Amino acid sequence: GDSVTQMEGPVTLSEEAFLTINCTYTATGYPSLFWYVQYPGEGLQLLLKATKADDKGSNKGFEATYRKETTSFHLEKGSVQVSDSAVYFCALSLGHTQGAQKLVFGQGTRLTINP
Amino acid sequence: NAGVTQTPKFQVLKTGQSMTLQCAQDMNHEYMSWYRQDPGMGLRLIHYSVGAGITDQGEVPNGYNVSRSTTEDFPLRLLSAAPSQTSVYFCASSYSASGSYEQYFGPGTRLTVT
Repeated sequence: GDSVTQMEGPVTLSEEAFLTINCTYTATGYPSLFWYVQYPGEGLQLLLKATKADDKGSNKGFEATYRKETTSFHLEKGSVQVSDSAVYFCALSLGHTQGAQKLVFGQGTRLTINP
Repeated sequence: NAGVTQTPKFQVLKTGQSMTLQCAQDMNHEYMSWYRQDPGMGLRLIHYSVGAGITDQGEVPNGYNVSRSTTEDFPLRLLSAAPSQTSVYFCASSYSASGSYEQYFGPGTRLTVT
């Protein structure tokens, strides 16, 4: 079945460090790919997305490129801040039925940034 | 615009008790869904609805019932709670006409079954 695998956490970095959170997927079709972020005590928010191969999603300094050849969608940020501390989820969607977008999530990676 | 709201925020149940987790959205979204979040497992889809009167099962539907009588509300019912249902529950909604199918999540309900 369709699945998403993220790098194991937790990840702890110092402020201004470079961040990479790996994400790979298995899917029978051509999925759309997403990164969601969950700040402490809150629900998930969409961080960025890419809908086809070689697309790059970006938001708030984060980037991820849809790599079909390696079935990957790694999240990167050049210089992290303390406010980026959160849990990050990679997810895929194989489209929609009558408007339904079913998401398959990875297990989440907890990121802590120390000042 | 309140977005997606969930009540209660926290709940403790004894095994065998029943309860309903409430979810409401004020964005006129057609699609609503329930997920549960367990450590190390990400979010898993329980049930979803593509409109009033239409519901379907997700990945882990056993032990849960849903109904969708209005566009705004999508309650999740636990008929006989079990310790395995201890989890954080998230409701989400989306609007197909937006083209992006971005899902908007509520703040979650943390449920403990003893």
